[in-house]
Amino acid sequence: QSVVTQPPSASGAPGQRVTISCSGSSSNIGSNTVNWYQQLPGTAPKVLIYNNNERPSGVPDRFSGSKSGTSASLAISGLQSEDEADYYCVTWDDSLHAWVFGGGTKMAVL
Amino acid sequence: EVQLVESGGGFVQPGRSLRLSCAASGFTFDDYAMHWVRQVPGKGLEWVSSISWNGVAIGYADSVKGRFTISRDNAKNALYLQVNSLRVEDTALYYCTKASCSSINCYGGWFDPWGQGTLVTVSS
Repeated sequence: QSVVTQPPSASGAPGQRVTISCSGSSSNIGSNTVNWYQQLPGTAPKVLIYNNNERPSGVPDRFSGSKSGTSASLAISGLQSEDEADYYCVTWDDSLHAWVFGGGTKMAVL
Repeated sequence: EVQLVESGGGFVQPGRSLRLSCAASGFTFDDYAMHWVRQVPGKGLEWVSSISWNGVAIGYADSVKGRFTISRDNAKNALYLQVNSLRVEDTALYYCTKASCSSINCYGGWFDPWGQGTLVTVSS
């Protein structure tokens, strides 16, 4: 059981806006930044959002991140079929002295 | 282009050891911390270990502490993970990934890119 929790699944129709939550505590999300990774089937994870809300070059602006208190969110607007993937949040935990990943959210495009 | 290529995985019996390697290219290796992250097939990501640019600062997940040892050779642009006393639950794809900074947990830091992974299977 991870100290940072995500819903196991999410879904939406093409074109819809969906959000994935990442809930933690004061020792992790509450005091550190959050990154989001996308893992397409059979591939290595790729950074989607870093430092809570920054997008690396090449990542479409349909993807956005936010953080408030001990929670963070990833939003995908204009959902597309190629967004079907697993999404993970990750942050540093000051008490555990460890990087902690959320359990991952499988995104389905209906 | 930044490239990370892992090797050294394989099929081993419980209690045995392996040495995983990660060959890095396309960036100044000794400017950056490095990490190992693993993934049980079909499951989520788990951070395993991190090492700072100079090897002085090191961190391990509780699940591997005392059994795994991370190291690096900056002259060879290589990262290593010595995995001892392997357990069935260590079966996973092990990824090498580059930090965005020189320390293992810089504020605002992230991991990218990732290698393709090397599979470790522990079974009797």
